[in-house]
Amino acid sequence: ETGVTQTPRHLVMGMTNKKSLKCEQHLGHNAMYWYKQSAKKPLELMFVYNFKEQTENNSVPSRFSPECPNSSHLFLHLHTLQPEDSALYLCASSQDPLTERGTGELFFGEGSRLTVL
Amino acid sequence: AQKITQTQPGMFVQEKEAVTLDCTYDTSDPSYGLFWYKQPSSGEMIFLIYQGSYDQQNATEGRYSLNFQKARKSANLVISASQLGDSAMYFCAMRVRGYNKLIFGAGTRLAVHP
Repeated sequence: ETGVTQTPRHLVMGMTNKKSLKCEQHLGHNAMYWYKQSAKKPLELMFVYNFKEQTENNSVPSRFSPECPNSSHLFLHLHTLQPEDSALYLCASSQDPLTERGTGELFFGEGSRLTVL
Repeated sequence: AQKITQTQPGMFVQEKEAVTLDCTYDTSDPSYGLFWYKQPSSGEMIFLIYQGSYDQQNATEGRYSLNFQKARKSANLVISASQLGDSAMYFCAMRVRGYNKLIFGAGTRLAVHP
């Protein structure tokens, strides 16, 4: 596989469940991101990891717990979510922006569509 | 503060016509990059075109061109010869050099009619 792969593509969970979203990139990038896309809202940056270290947490509630075991994998652990957390969760990767020579564009996965009942 | 504004929630265009999607931005940093992404109904964000703040010429990529007017802080996307497959959401985004995050606008939904 190439690019950025997200699993599962669709997830339905109750408010008391615990589930995880997975993201994997095969592009050799060093930065990975979680974005949330709700209906009729701009994309909201949630977390940024650079070389496995979290560099940004955009005031995300603790019921969302990210994990980045290496530069190629990123997880979003979900527990006791609320119905308003239903959204498309997009993972992305990019070159390390502090050393990049390119445009610094983000490469996105197809997203995980989450529905919280 | 950095901000991206897309004032057109929806646009429609006839097939084979050209269309311009508006984007204005706000930053006090002199070094930044501007991006346009396309999001079809499948959900994936597809990179279309990039313009650096120091680039002298407007960026072009096939049927896509970016009308960069630095003094006005605008970065409009022009799609020439629209195709039915161009129907999608289009997002303008900005990244300030040295910061590893993109800030997105609210998006414009483009509908191409036959």
